[in-house]
Amino acid sequence: GAGVSQTPSNKVTEKGKYVELRCDPISGHTALYWYRQSLGQGPEFLIYFQGTGAADDSGLPNDRFFAVRPEGSVSTLKIQRTERGDSAVYLCASSLGGQGTDTQYFGPGTRLTVL
Amino acid sequence: QQPVQSPQAVILREGEDAVINCSSSKALYSVHWYRQKHGEAPVFLMILLKGGEQKGHEKISASFNEKKQQSSLYLTASQLSYSGTYFCGTSISNYQLIWGAGTKLIIKP
Repeated sequence: GAGVSQTPSNKVTEKGKYVELRCDPISGHTALYWYRQSLGQGPEFLIYFQGTGAADDSGLPNDRFFAVRPEGSVSTLKIQRTERGDSAVYLCASSLGGQGTDTQYFGPGTRLTVL
Repeated sequence: QQPVQSPQAVILREGEDAVINCSSSKALYSVHWYRQKHGEAPVFLMILLKGGEQKGHEKISASFNEKKQQSSLYLTASQLSYSGTYFCGTSISNYQLIWGAGTKLIIKP
C-alpha cells in the first residue's frame, strides 16, 4: 500500500508570505504527527492529531503556525507571515492508533525555504 | 528532556560492528530507532517496549535497560547500506516521541 505522502516536496517563499504544507497519511491510520527538522537535528514535535482533533499542539512555536485535519485523513500545516527561521524540513508521520508503542511512518518531508 | 545519543558520529569499514547509545533522564514507555539517509524520510528499524518485548529489524538488534533509561542499537557486520543518521525516539507519554539529535554512521568499503 501507499506510504505517507507530502506535498510539495520543496517550497521556496518570501519572508512574510503564507504557506500551506499537505500530508496524506497511510489509509486507516488515526494518528498523525507533524515535526520540524533542522539540519543536523532530530525531528522536533509540532502537533499530534487523533482523528480530526488536535490532541496536542504544544509543539507549535507560536500562533503563526496552525494545522487542521478536517476529515481525519489529510492534514494541512499552515504558516502565516513566514520568517527566515521557519526554514526547515517539515515531516509528517502517521501511526495506526497513536499509542507510544505504535510505529510512526514518516513521509519524505517538505523542504521549506524562506528567503 | 531530549534523549542523548552517543557517539555523535562514527566511521567504520564494511564488516565492522557499531554500537549506538541513547539515554534519557525520564522514565520511558518505549524506545524507537530509525535510520535516515540524506534527503529522505526516517525509516523505522526497531521498537523496544517496556517489559522487554522487541519488534523490528532482522539484522539489527537492540537492548533497553528500563532502570537506567538507556537503549543501545547494535549493528553487526555493517554493510554499505547501513550508512545514514540513526535517531532514537523515546516515548515518555502515551503518544509523543522525543527525538535525539542523531548519530551519523559512515561505512567505508
